[in-house]
Amino acid sequence: GAVVSQHPSWVICKSGTSVKIECRSLDFQATTMFWYRQFPKQSLMLMATSNEGSKATYEQGVEKDKFLINHASLTLSTLTVTSAHPEDSSFYICSASPARDTQYFGPGTRLTVL
Amino acid sequence: RKEVEQDPGPFNVPEGATVAFNCTYSNSASQSFFWYRQDCRKEPKLLMSVYSSGNEDGRFTAQLNRASQYISLLIRDSKLSDSATYLCVVNEDNYGQNFVFGPGTRLSVLP
Repeated sequence: GAVVSQHPSWVICKSGTSVKIECRSLDFQATTMFWYRQFPKQSLMLMATSNEGSKATYEQGVEKDKFLINHASLTLSTLTVTSAHPEDSSFYICSASPARDTQYFGPGTRLTVL
Repeated sequence: RKEVEQDPGPFNVPEGATVAFNCTYSNSASQSFFWYRQDCRKEPKLLMSVYSSGNEDGRFTAQLNRASQYISLLIRDSKLSDSATYLCVVNEDNYGQNFVFGPGTRLSVLP
């Protein structure tokens, strides 16, 4: 149980294009989903907290107009990187939380922007 | 000052060794603490939650010292499969969830 999927697992795109990443909880409902970013040899940095049916809460320094988050249902959240640039290349990981102090991570999406 | 700090590592130990990782956190109001392990290019996986009385799961023992704002993880009888990066994670929010990850400590268990 407690499986979280992410799609795509990797993506390569040209600078200026937009990329959408999906995060799904497959066998449980998650009122809260988290989006993290991890650069090489660094730890996970929280980008935003997403609650179903409401606007995401972004961490300081994360541009909400660049990283669009939609949490339309209790099992799906999407992150869209708009007008991606090479500096956005990173490992994006979501987690889904069915209860406090509980989060299950997706396998991550590796984004490379050329 | 970083919110969650860990031993910088890397730790290179022989199989069978005992190794301990340390973690300190700056927010004294933090309530929940966790150790995750992350393999290269993979997502983090929960190793154990840390309870105030300390807890043990097989070869792994976690301890919490609230007065010193310090968390530790002890691994006994290291296996090759224990090689990974160990992440200390703190939930800083009393009522909700605000997970702060430490920078991680890399462990390599050598044959």
